[in-house]
Amino acid sequence: AQTVTQSQPEMSVQDAETVTLSCTYDTSENNYYLFWYKQPPSRQMILVIRQEAYKQQNATENRFSVNFQKAAKSFSLKISDSQLGDTAMYFCAFMKPAYSGAGSYQLTFGKGTKLSVIP
Amino acid sequence: GAVVSQHPSWVICKSGTSVKIECRSLDFQATTMFWYRQFPKQSLMLMATSNEGSKATYEQGVEKDKFLINHASLTLSTLTVTSAHPEDSSFYICSARSGLAGLYEQYFGPGTRLTVT
Repeated sequence: AQTVTQSQPEMSVQDAETVTLSCTYDTSENNYYLFWYKQPPSRQMILVIRQEAYKQQNATENRFSVNFQKAAKSFSLKISDSQLGDTAMYFCAFMKPAYSGAGSYQLTFGKGTKLSVIP
Repeated sequence: GAVVSQHPSWVICKSGTSVKIECRSLDFQATTMFWYRQFPKQSLMLMATSNEGSKATYEQGVEKDKFLINHASLTLSTLTVTSAHPEDSSFYICSARSGLAGLYEQYFGPGTRLTVT
């Protein structure tokens, strides 16, 4: 079974500054998908960024980027130029690929990191 | 695109009654839908996976007779909490995945807050 670990329950950052959220995972799969989701106070889950394990290049979406270290099974999220609207719970998630049989496409979530952006 | 709705967004019911939560994919056909439960300040826990036209697959520890899931069409899945008790009070979230080849992303509904009194 896959496990996802987020070791930082809470973090804070000044607006306009940069913050990095950590995530490690454990799997025996060679190919898989990784995600960062944001859950603001509204509790709507919002996809922030995704990474396919077969791609060596780190994914980037505007102010959000990841540092994907496959050998180390690490998948950290960097938020640049933090904004007040970034205040939310952030969940790292792992997904097995389609050919995995039982459990394909299921998401395994970490426990989350509560990020507060301070004005 | 890729919008998932849930209804109701908030429901209060009395202990012993049943409540149904609907999850709809509004602009795509969802081959697979997932139901999650989230307690306050905790992560999402997968309850079950349902594929259109077949029985749902429940995660270990989830009572299938208590949490009835029906995925009767490619755009609708329902979760019925039967004989609800206060400990069933929680936030329930559904997600849906398109059946198109190569698409793996799950799209999440806004969630339903269930309070059992």
